[in-house]
Amino acid sequence: DIVMTQSPDSLAVSLGERATISCKSSQSVLHSPNNKNYLAWYQHKPGQPPKVLIYWASTRESGVPDRFSGSGSGTDFTLTITSLQAEDVAVYYCQQYYSVPCSFGQGTKLEIK
Amino acid sequence: QVHLVESGGGVVQPGRSLRLSCAASGFTFSTYGMHWVRQAPGKGLEWVAVITSDGSSQYYANSVEGRFTISRDNSENTLYLQMSSLRAEDTAVYYCARAASFRLELPWNWGQGTLVTVSS
Repeated sequence: DIVMTQSPDSLAVSLGERATISCKSSQSVLHSPNNKNYLAWYQHKPGQPPKVLIYWASTRESGVPDRFSGSGSGTDFTLTITSLQAEDVAVYYCQQYYSVPCSFGQGTKLEIK
Repeated sequence: QVHLVESGGGVVQPGRSLRLSCAASGFTFSTYGMHWVRQAPGKGLEWVAVITSDGSSQYYANSVEGRFTISRDNSENTLYLQMSSLRAEDTAVYYCARAASFRLELPWNWGQGTLVTVSS
């Protein structure tokens, strides 16, 4: 089974500043035949269901602001939020969809400093 | 517009059973895989199970294998999760989610969730 590990567990960033969240998988989620990384990022706000932000490690879902970006390959991935806005306060999760059982990281709680 | 509504949650004693339902609308239910994902109080998301569009294959998390059964009725546009031998650690909000069109293993559209509390 693939284990996903995020860091940090929590993060406080000033409005307008950059937030960076790391996600590591216990084995590669890169599928060589199509050169795609089977890695997604979700945003989860209290009282709401999780929302897909990024898939294929770096493809933004429609409607997601371009201040959100994903990068990385293989086993190491990063979610970056440039110019943090108040509405970005949430818990962020990475998830591998390379194989079952699907697995999420433990989550990173993002707050305003 | 994709709409998923979970129901069936509540308080149940340890060792008992409970069945959750997820009513789907706004899309062709029979052409999408479907997931259950849960979140225990104060904890992160935990994937529970997935079923293929035609119901022919199911996959489970190790933590629920042998106790939970995911199923679907494509004629009723409804997803189910039959939970048995419930434990305190199964207490969580249970979300159903439609899989991405391009990958079964990626939960894409989520419902609002239903709370299951396992307590004596």
